[in-house]
Amino acid sequence: DADVTQTPRNRITKTGKRIMLECSQTKGHDRMYWYRQDPGLGLQLIYYSFDVKDINKGEISDGYSVSRQAQAKFSLSLESAIPNQTALYFCATGDLLETQYFGPGTRLLVL
Amino acid sequence: DQQVKQNSPSLSVQEGRISILNCDYTNSMFDYFLWYKKYPAEGPTFLISISSIKDKNEDGRFTVFLNKSAKHLSLHIVPSQPGDSAVYFCAARLGTQGGSEKLVFGKGTKLTVNP
Repeated sequence: DADVTQTPRNRITKTGKRIMLECSQTKGHDRMYWYRQDPGLGLQLIYYSFDVKDINKGEISDGYSVSRQAQAKFSLSLESAIPNQTALYFCATGDLLETQYFGPGTRLLVL
Repeated sequence: DQQVKQNSPSLSVQEGRISILNCDYTNSMFDYFLWYKKYPAEGPTFLISISSIKDKNEDGRFTVFLNKSAKHLSLHIVPSQPGDSAVYFCAARLGTQGGSEKLVFGKGTKLTVNP
């Protein structure tokens, strides 16, 4: 079984809809991260969490919110999706920042 | 302002030859550098890293070199294999002051190793 799982893997939604992306990890790490990748661009940090009670904004948090339901679960929400949020979203986990383990990604299309 | 730059979007090499992927950075506060490899339809996977206090780190066919004065690092793959074909991301860590650790990623370089 994969150490970091993301659901759904693919999602098509319409502008204005609320959508949640979920991430679960079995590595027992405290730190979890959400990144976004656009074509031709690197990974941009959206939110990160160092433990269940610690949530921090990343570089591009506007339009997103997160919830750390448990050590193993970290979800990302788009309250009102817009087309420029069309991207590939990655969840990651790690004990040390130097080594992060990434999920397989969720491909999101906002029409 | 892009703090981590990978100026070559793609690189093509012959199997058995050396692949050299380059990365430049602008922030002197970065204290750790990493390379990640990404295959299509998969998440990035950690490949190799180097602390800012070192100038070289080697792991099998992969070697990372760091030139702090030039704010430049490179990843050498010798010998290159077709299975190395992937997108390679350079990443840098901001220091731990204030607990605001995070990684800053470059845009990636797509490496193609031809048989």
